Amino acid sequence: DTGVSQNPRHKITKRGQNVTFRCDPISEHNRLYWYRQTLGQGPEFLTYFQNEAQLEKSRLLSDRFSAERPKGSFSTLEIQRTEQGDSAMYLCASSRDRSSYNEQFFGPGTRLTVL
Amino acid sequence: QKEVEQNSGPLSVPEGAIASLNCTYSDRGSQSFFWYRQYSGKSPELIMSIYSNGDKEDGRFTAQLNKASQYVSLLIRDSQPSDSATYLCAVKENNYGQNFVFGPGTRLSVLP
Repeated sequence: DTGVSQNPRHKITKRGQNVTFRCDPISEHNRLYWYRQTLGQGPEFLTYFQNEAQLEKSRLLSDRFSAERPKGSFSTLEIQRTEQGDSAMYLCASSRDRSSYNEQFFGPGTRLTVL
Repeated sequence: QKEVEQNSGPLSVPEGAIASLNCTYSDRGSQSFFWYRQYSGKSPELIMSIYSNGDKEDGRFTAQLNKASQYVSLLIRDSQPSDSATYLCAVKENNYGQNFVFGPGTRLSVLP
């Protein structure tokens, strides 16, 4: 069963360092999403790709955040000059294109701790 | 600002009882509604989706949607201790956007 995979699963970094996360969606899914979740809250939308095109970005996505999906397959999320407030679970989800239901399936997440 | 609200709980029910989880949303144009289950330290797992007014049943789960009242609920019949988790309500807006707006989740505890 090839679900959504994310790497690394955990990342501890010092404030000011850059970090990069990777997401591999379900193979036939053209849509890919990044969310951020903090303790006691639901996931918050960050950005969305359809194939390689980044079609939506949340205002939560500051200039320090950048995401790519260069060949329409895997995606990376980079955070530059990390801050303690960036500590959270970063979730990737994917869904099938042209689906009337738009059901999104999540990966296991990457837990980021900024010291 | 579009919002999805849920009672944070915890909601405690005895094993075998019916658990009722509720969600309200602010965007009247919303068209798609989803329930996710999230165990502590894990990622959300899709358990139900609903798009039309009325009830939708899947095993022990029933989702109920009332668009006029902007209300969606999830019933879990014959609750089991393994159902203890946080249940997230997610709403997709009715526009060209594809992102979900999630509620904060309701923590359910099923007592043996």
